[in-house]
Amino acid sequence: DTEVTQTPKHLVMGMTNKKSLKCEQHMGHRAMYWYKQKAKKPPELMFVYSYEKLSINESVPSRFSPECPNSSLLNLHLHALQPEDSALYLCASSPRTRGDRGRGEQYFGPGTRLTVT
Amino acid sequence: QQPVQSPQAVILREGEDAVINCSSSKALYSVHWYRQKHGEAPVFLMILLKGGEQKGHDKISASFNEKKQQSSLYLTASQLSYSGTYFCGTGNTGNQFYFGTGTSLTVIP
Repeated sequence: DTEVTQTPKHLVMGMTNKKSLKCEQHMGHRAMYWYKQKAKKPPELMFVYSYEKLSINESVPSRFSPECPNSSLLNLHLHALQPEDSALYLCASSPRTRGDRGRGEQYFGPGTRLTVT
Repeated sequence: QQPVQSPQAVILREGEDAVINCSSSKALYSVHWYRQKHGEAPVFLMILLKGGEQKGHDKISASFNEKKQQSSLYLTASQLSYSGTYFCGTGNTGNQFYFGTGTSLTVIP
């Protein structure tokens, strides 16, 4: 099973709302990622979890808060977002973990398309 | 840190070949290649882990020149299903990962 699932598929939220994005994988991967992708641009790394510990935070604003409750689950909590945060949010997992110089292939979920109004 | 890809866009007729290049100003420890179709998530194609390595899958192959900090993706006898945006990607000594600028490939009948 090489599937990564994400919910919801679409999300519309106001700037004062609090919402969460969820990601799940059952491949036994110990590295999980959150990416943000704007239209016609490459995905940009936001967070990396390795063995359920946050190992990379690419200077992401605090209105985005990641959580990794266990090795299969990844959440992204959203609060007080701005319209410019509207984008496709992608979750990925990889069999490789810390310090591997990008040696682990990544498997992506279908993404959550977020619109902030 | 983001690798630069060329060309930015290419249109092919079915059966034609294409080459997509990926170049980095920093050391490349590994090179990934992904394809993303419109409205879908990126799909892993292949990974090259050391200089001089070449890999192939069906009619898509890639090479990695570590010294030149470059990689190329070769698509042979293109099919309609090859259409999409191709991204290279690379990591570094930590867990950072950077996708390249992307190449839009359209195959027409």
